[in-house]
Amino acid sequence: DSGVTQTPKHLITATGQRVTLRCSPRSGDLSVYWYQQSLDQGLQFLIQYYNGEERAKGNILERFSAQQFPDLHSELNLSSLELGDSALYFCASSVADYRGTPNTGELFFGEGSRLTVL
Amino acid sequence: AQSVTQLDSQVPVFEEAPVELRCNYSSSVSVYLFWYVQYPNQGLQLLLKYLSGSTLVKGINGFEAEFNKSQTSFHLRKPSVHISDTAEYFCAVTPLRGYQKVTFGTGTKLQVIP
Repeated sequence: DSGVTQTPKHLITATGQRVTLRCSPRSGDLSVYWYQQSLDQGLQFLIQYYNGEERAKGNILERFSAQQFPDLHSELNLSSLELGDSALYFCASSVADYRGTPNTGELFFGEGSRLTVL
Repeated sequence: AQSVTQLDSQVPVFEEAPVELRCNYSSSVSVYLFWYVQYPNQGLQLLLKYLSGSTLVKGINGFEAEFNKSQTSFHLRKPSVHISDTAEYFCAVTPLRGYQKVTFGTGTKLQVIP
């Protein structure tokens, strides 16, 4: 058990809909990362938050947004869903120092949220 | 910016045989290096990491990796694989400083054949 909790584990929805994925990081971790894993694109970095502030952005679509709340949990919002958004979405957390760089670089991953868009 | 290349997308190997999974990276700054493993239907977990010091790093489950700065490589090895090692393996780098993200390779699927 990594200590990172993601909900829901599975989600099936229709095109055009909006969903919210939730992540609770390990106790004490200030940094949260979101990744998308699909068969054709592999593991893609979406976005990173550190103590409530956005720190790095990757290949995140404009239809997607995220935030990190004062209690450090994070939510990834996916809207106007398309078939191609079907994927496994991972959240990871790390200790991170005050500059946002992981203390030792190690990320702790949740088990993922599998999104299926029909 | 950093990049990670895992040349082999799939590696089949017989049980009890040795295996090497290759990883090369590119970076203009000093980096930390990692190998993560993803078992079926699970999240990624850390296998081993190189931060500094000895270039030969030992990890869990009998895996080890060697950092080669001149060749910018961080290959993963195991002298004798088991069926339970069947999984996908990801090489990753992150810069020592800054807000930059952790960059992952595309992964190598290790298939251990009985």
